[in-house]
Amino acid sequence: QSALTQPASVSGSPGQSITISCTGTSSDVGDYNYVSWYQHHPGKAPKLMICDVTKRPSGVSNRFSGSKSGNTASLTISGLQAEDEADYYCSSYTSSSTFVFGTGTKVTVL
Amino acid sequence: EVQLVQSGPEVKKPEESLKISCKASGYSFSSYWIGWMRQMPGRGLEWMGIIYPGDSDTRYSPSFQGQVTISADKSISTAYLQWSSLKASDTAMYYCARRGGYGDYWFDPWGQGTLVTVSS
Repeated sequence: QSALTQPASVSGSPGQSITISCTGTSSDVGDYNYVSWYQHHPGKAPKLMICDVTKRPSGVSNRFSGSKSGNTASLTISGLQAEDEADYYCSSYTSSSTFVFGTGTKVTVL
Repeated sequence: EVQLVQSGPEVKKPEESLKISCKASGYSFSSYWIGWMRQMPGRGLEWMGIIYPGDSDTRYSPSFQGQVTISADKSISTAYLQWSSLKASDTAMYYCARRGGYGDYWFDPWGQGTLVTVSS
């Protein structure tokens, strides 16, 4: 099972919007609406930001949104803030009844 | 409050065995899958495997099958990740996380992580 492909880094200025892509295959991202996104600040526990492609858990800012088209899912952060600077990982359920994570994207707020 | 508290950092030598733990509280431990993830230094998260404490049904990533053992003790609401013979390449941060309920395919919350260092 290969890791889902994410860009290594994405950056933006405060207030801007950025989008992180997550590309898998027809056996994971493309086969299920079970993509989730996690925010990971170094030294802290990862935090669930988006589940089931588009759903925001309680307490997560509405500046975070998710979408999917074919084998590629995306996370958009609008109104970028300094506190959004972190690593972001996508994850998908797979046809093998396992899970796979993305390669991770470092978000930098300029 | 749902919480997962992991055991403390470990420093071990190659070929030694190790068992790290993840203690759950605030919910019915037997009714939710618990997953384990690895993060090697400077690398991304990797999914290792998952266990359903209710019946000990366990699934492993092909990359970790045979390399680690995942188990759980319902009586003390604790999941475990163990190695029989550590390698230097097992040096990493390990996280446990609760999978959502039936029909949910995400992980929340996560434990604080256990740093395992393997060095001669």
